[in-house]
Amino acid sequence: EDKVVQSPLSLVVHEGDTVTLNCSYEVTNFRSLLWYKQEKKAPTFLFMLTSSGIEKKSGRLSSILDKKELFSILNITATQTGDSAVYLCAVKETSGSRLTFGEGTQLTVNP
Amino acid sequence: GAVVSQHPSWVICKSGTSVKIECRSLDFQATTMFWYRQFPKQSLMLMATSNEGSKATYEQGVEKDKFLINHASLTLSTLTVTSAHPEDSSFYICSARAVEGRGSTDTQYFGPGTRLTVL
Repeated sequence: EDKVVQSPLSLVVHEGDTVTLNCSYEVTNFRSLLWYKQEKKAPTFLFMLTSSGIEKKSGRLSSILDKKELFSILNITATQTGDSAVYLCAVKETSGSRLTFGEGTQLTVNP
Repeated sequence: GAVVSQHPSWVICKSGTSVKIECRSLDFQATTMFWYRQFPKQSLMLMATSNEGSKATYEQGVEKDKFLINHASLTLSTLTVTSAHPEDSSFYICSARAVEGRGSTDTQYFGPGTRLTVL
């Protein structure tokens, strides 16, 4: 059975701190790993990673995938209160199109 | 970017009634739509995969007669919770996967969700 594990489950930091969120996975036929940010409503797409070692960057957020060690990290630098959200990691297999989600990391950024 | 809408955004109903939730892809065609359920402080759990013009594929443990899914067109899928009970109260989210050529086909675009409360 496919498995996606995120850590930590929750994290509280101060504005300006840098955070690293982790996602490890076990899937039979890996195709891609996706990161989403979920505030009060549905998740919004952040990154999709398919190749090892290639960093994806968007502003203060960046992510990288290690297909050998089966994990990904999401970095947020100079955090702001607006970064407070649940960050979800999901993995897609080569067959079909379903996503398997991790439990999420609840990030709280205090002023 | 691709936009997915859901209607209604929230609904309160009495136990035993049926509730229909619509999921629409507004600016792209979606061959596949997904229905998820999310309980408080938990992650998204896939309920079913809906393909346009064919029967939905349900995940293990999801009753297909209770959660009726119809994907009648490339832009609309509906989820009907039949004979709803309080334990069906949850946040229901749909997502849509774009057809080839519209962004990445690996990317699912999520709707804003529907909060269902069954009294």
